[in-house]
Amino acid sequence: GESVGLHLPTLSVQEGDNSIINCAYSNSASDYFIWYKQESGKGPQFIIDIRSNMDKRQGQRVTVLLNKTVKHLSLQIAATQPGDSAVYFCAENIRGGANSKLTFGKGITLSVRP
Amino acid sequence: GAVVSQHPSRVICKSGTSVKIECRSLDFQATTMFWYRQFPKKSLMLMATSNEGSKATYEQGVEKDKFLINHASLTLSTLTVTSAHPEDSSFYICSARDSTPLQFFGPGTRLTVL
Repeated sequence: GESVGLHLPTLSVQEGDNSIINCAYSNSASDYFIWYKQESGKGPQFIIDIRSNMDKRQGQRVTVLLNKTVKHLSLQIAATQPGDSAVYFCAENIRGGANSKLTFGKGITLSVRP
Repeated sequence: GAVVSQHPSRVICKSGTSVKIECRSLDFQATTMFWYRQFPKKSLMLMATSNEGSKATYEQGVEKDKFLINHASLTLSTLTVTSAHPEDSSFYICSARDSTPLQFFGPGTRLTVL
């Protein structure tokens, strides 16, 4: 079946470097994508989202890129800080109006080295 | 972002007892709430979708008589784990949304069944 998946389970980066977290999705009916950050023992926290009619969206230190041709989503974090260490999930929303729900990727752990 | 609370944050109970977990949207009206279960180092697994005033829709493989969900108002949903057993021990997370697909998550509830 169709699913959302992440390419790598862990990512280790040096503090101050940029981080890129990748996600592949396979459902062409997905119209909305979200990145969440989850710290240990806490619930997922919204980072940034993007609709399928866009290919890039920027936030504070974060950028999401969407490539619908290859069904690829990425999260870029500029000047990564120790506080960015967490598990990151991508999620896709499949069109369904009021019955729509999110499908989550497996999650990737970002570890920031001081 | 919108704020979602959960109570309790941790609960330890004896096998055979029932446990109720509350999920509240604090600053918006949640037309839909979701309940997820998360195992260590795993992604979020959707258990059920709950619309205010309607019966919950359970995902395949989730026992509706075991996990009772009530969504009595636009700001409150409850999950009751009935006759809990050690295999029900997990991290339970709720989320809420209004008419948009963006879900905001609660902080989670750690359930331990002895």
